[in-house]
Amino acid sequence: SQTIHQWPATLVQPVGSPLSLECTVEGTSNPNLYWYRQAAGRGLQLLFYSVGIGQISSEVPQNLSASRPQDRQFILSSKKLLLSDSGFYLCAWSGQGRSRSTEAFFGQGTRLTVV
Amino acid sequence: GDSVTQMEGPVTLSEEAFLTINCTYTATGYPSLFWYVQYPGEGLQLLLKATKADDKGSNKGFEATYRKETTSFHLEKGSVQVSDSAVYFCALSDLTGGFKTIFGAGTRLFVKA
Repeated sequence: SQTIHQWPATLVQPVGSPLSLECTVEGTSNPNLYWYRQAAGRGLQLLFYSVGIGQISSEVPQNLSASRPQDRQFILSSKKLLLSDSGFYLCAWSGQGRSRSTEAFFGQGTRLTVV
Repeated sequence: GDSVTQMEGPVTLSEEAFLTINCTYTATGYPSLFWYVQYPGEGLQLLLKATKADDKGSNKGFEATYRKETTSFHLEKGSVQVSDSAVYFCALSDLTGGFKTIFGAGTRLFVKA
């Protein structure tokens, strides 16, 4: 069966420090991968998605970046964190192909607090 | 672009009350529709889905019907429980959007004993 791992679960970082959040998927190949952010009291905002290795699409301009060095690995990074980067970050995957029942599967999330 | 609009929360109900959370969508293609649930401190879980018009998705007493004519996918439950307290997200996935999942803002539900 497929599983998705996201770490760390909680992170407190000072303003201006770098960030690296990692997400890996097991049990499937060539998944679509996503990074979402959920700010306090707000909905889910799609940050990045990837349909293959090295293929990253950015949905919103910001000081975050994403990379996909391997088929089932998706990394969210920042060189210098801002206070506004605080939030709950969720990694997700969905299957490739044309299935109309394609749903997204989520990791447990990383709560990032920038202080 | 594609979008999902759902009713603002929070929604506060007493146990055994009837629940409706409204959701409407706009899409360039023919999307699949989903409801996800997020319990405190956790990621999202799929609650139910529907892939074509007039389909009814159901799970754990929740149900929603894909209404193409009104572009809606309202979530209902006949009798809520305290354990249903969570945030509920309506979402769509559209082939023309590359199967990105687009979410509504979420509706927080509180159920009181």
